Amino acid sequence: DAGVIQSPRHEVTEMGQEVTLRCKPISGHDYLFWYRQTMMRGLELLIYFNNNVPIDDSGMPEDRFSAKMPNASFSTLKIQPSEPRDSAVYFCASSFVGDWNQPQHFGDGTRLSIL
Amino acid sequence: GENVEQHPSTLSVQEGDSAVIKCTYSDSASNYFPWYKQELGKRPQLIIDIRSNVGEKKDQRIAVTLNKTAKHFSLHITETQPEDSAVYFCAASYTGGGNKLTFGTGTQLKVEL
Repeated sequence: DAGVIQSPRHEVTEMGQEVTLRCKPISGHDYLFWYRQTMMRGLELLIYFNNNVPIDDSGMPEDRFSAKMPNASFSTLKIQPSEPRDSAVYFCASSFVGDWNQPQHFGDGTRLSIL
Repeated sequence: GENVEQHPSTLSVQEGDSAVIKCTYSDSASNYFPWYKQELGKRPQLIIDIRSNVGEKKDQRIAVTLNKTAKHFSLHITETQPEDSAVYFCAASYTGGGNKLTFGTGTQLKVEL
């Protein structure tokens, strides 16, 4: 089991540029979650998908943020245009649901710095 | 929606002592409560979880207790070691809620030699 795989691990870019973060969930997991973590706001849920369909995007901060899941093994989080206040660590997590909820498994995150 | 409160925000203990972190939740429908440990610069990792059909669960030095009536659950770490130093997050979710977790604000645990 390779776990949740995120890329890139680090991204440094200038304000106004487009940023694309990528995530490969654990095979067989049908839920995928995108989080943002900062010291000030803690761990925030941005959006989550079930069977590739967005279920709740109420945490997406602005229209500059968008997320897609074109298939069961790949998702992207895009910021366009990026701003310095978007600097944070972005985590992707995946899980499945049986008779009971199951734990979410997190990727190693993408540390994003917008200059 | 669900609200999870976590206390304390920071906790310092001597090596070998016990540490207790407490969380309360607001939605009585919540029935799954995982705990995550996050070391500096690393991802949150599940360390233990509990479901509402049991009141306590242990795994070596770690235990979690759940009081459904009072809507609170706690993490207990015994015989703390320096490698236990990290931020710990509690969370809650309910079946049918899309496996969405509501996280507490985290506890910074420091184990001093």
